[in-house]
Amino acid sequence: ETGVTQTPRHLVMGMTNKKSLKCEQHLGHNAMYWYKQSAKKPLELMFVYNFKEQTENNSVPSRFSPECPNSSHLFLHLHTLQPEDSALYLCASSQAPSSGWRTDTQYFGPGTRLTVL
Amino acid sequence: EDQVTQSPEALRLQEGESSSLNCSYTVSGLRGLFWYRQDPGKGPEFLFTLYSAGEEKEKERLKATLTKKESFLHITAPKPEDSATYLCAVRSNTGKLIFGQGTTLQVKP
Repeated sequence: ETGVTQTPRHLVMGMTNKKSLKCEQHLGHNAMYWYKQSAKKPLELMFVYNFKEQTENNSVPSRFSPECPNSSHLFLHLHTLQPEDSALYLCASSQAPSSGWRTDTQYFGPGTRLTVL
Repeated sequence: EDQVTQSPEALRLQEGESSSLNCSYTVSGLRGLFWYRQDPGKGPEFLFTLYSAGEEKEKERLKATLTKKESFLHITAPKPEDSATYLCAVRSNTGKLIFGQGTTLQVKP
């Protein structure tokens, strides 16, 4: 496997289900991200992890719960979602500097197309 | 407030008809402008990073340029396989990456 992989690629779930999205990066990066992409809207940053520590949570509802067990793996645990949560969920990774200005390039996975019924 | 605006929202070209996509931005201290290509149902694919006004980068039929207020993605003699959504993103001195809404390009044979 190369680059950033995501599983599953497609997921249909009911509002009462619990599911998890998985992301794995094979680039040796130290930062990982979850984004939400809805139709006709810019990518929305959800969470940022640097060196396995969550450094950003952009006011995401608690029904989305991220987990980063190591610098190569990132999960997004989903529970009691709403139909408006249906979207493409993208994972990205980058090599963030340990200090100084951030100029790193983010590389994206193929995404998980989530449909909430 | 940091903001990124892409235009046009959609663009239709005939094969071989050159054109440009625009990305206008207002940010507090530019720390990089990024262009991505996204095919339907797939994740964004990295194309270019530009850091300072006057910088240019090229890749096959694509050329990206940067000024203090905007970036252009020039497409020379496009082919149908260049059809995709092109995303622009800007990193400000807060470290955040802010995306535009994208330009969907369709190139007809």
